[in-house]
Amino acid sequence: DIQMTQSPSSLSASIGDRVTITCRASQGISRYLNWYQQKPGKAPKFLIFDASSLQSGVPSRFSGSGTGTDFTLTISSLQPEDFATYYCQQSYNSPYTFGPGTKVDVK
Amino acid sequence: QVQLVQSGAEVKKPGASVKVSCKASGYTFATYYIDWVRQAPGQGLEWMGVIYPLGDTTSYAQKFQGRLTLTRDTSTSTVYMELNSLRSEDTAVYFCARRSGSGYYYFDYWGQGTLVTVSS
Repeated sequence: DIQMTQSPSSLSASIGDRVTITCRASQGISRYLNWYQQKPGKAPKFLIFDASSLQSGVPSRFSGSGTGTDFTLTISSLQPEDFATYYCQQSYNSPYTFGPGTKVDVK
Repeated sequence: QVQLVQSGAEVKKPGASVKVSCKASGYTFATYYIDWVRQAPGQGLEWMGVIYPLGDTTSYAQKFQGRLTLTRDTSTSTVYMELNSLRSEDTAVYFCARRSGSGYYYFDYWGQGTLVTVSS
């Protein structure tokens, strides 16, 4: 199975901050990388596919980049509704494994 | 609009089985894969398996082979997840999710989650 790691595991930030989360795959996955946002007690919300393609309706302050083994999710200007946990997921090979998550909380 | 609505919370004893339903609406049920993902308390997301309703084909994570069964009822657009021989470590929220995409697959719609508690 492909192992996914994320860093940091958590971060504290303020409204308006630029936030960057890193995701690494244990082997090359081309651009088969998705990002999800999850708030407490809720189902994950799909944000980005193909490493950098925004799902319809996702604010443009979210962006993704990377290819191969290293990927990033960037929030250009953090908004109150962005405090959540973010997960990456590879869809290169089954099982479609997730990273352990990065919790973004209030500084 | 696309919706996945799951059945309610369950409490089971160790060794028992649980069957969770996921009813789809707002799209052509048969032509989209449905995946199951679980989340133990305070933990991350774990992929369990997938079913393709049209072909009634399934694939399971090795960890759940022999304990997990996914089925579907096309007449009601419902997918079922049955997990047997429950143990305390199976206590988790179980999500169904629709798999979309062409080549680049992703889970674009999710059910609300079903809490399964395994306790004696």
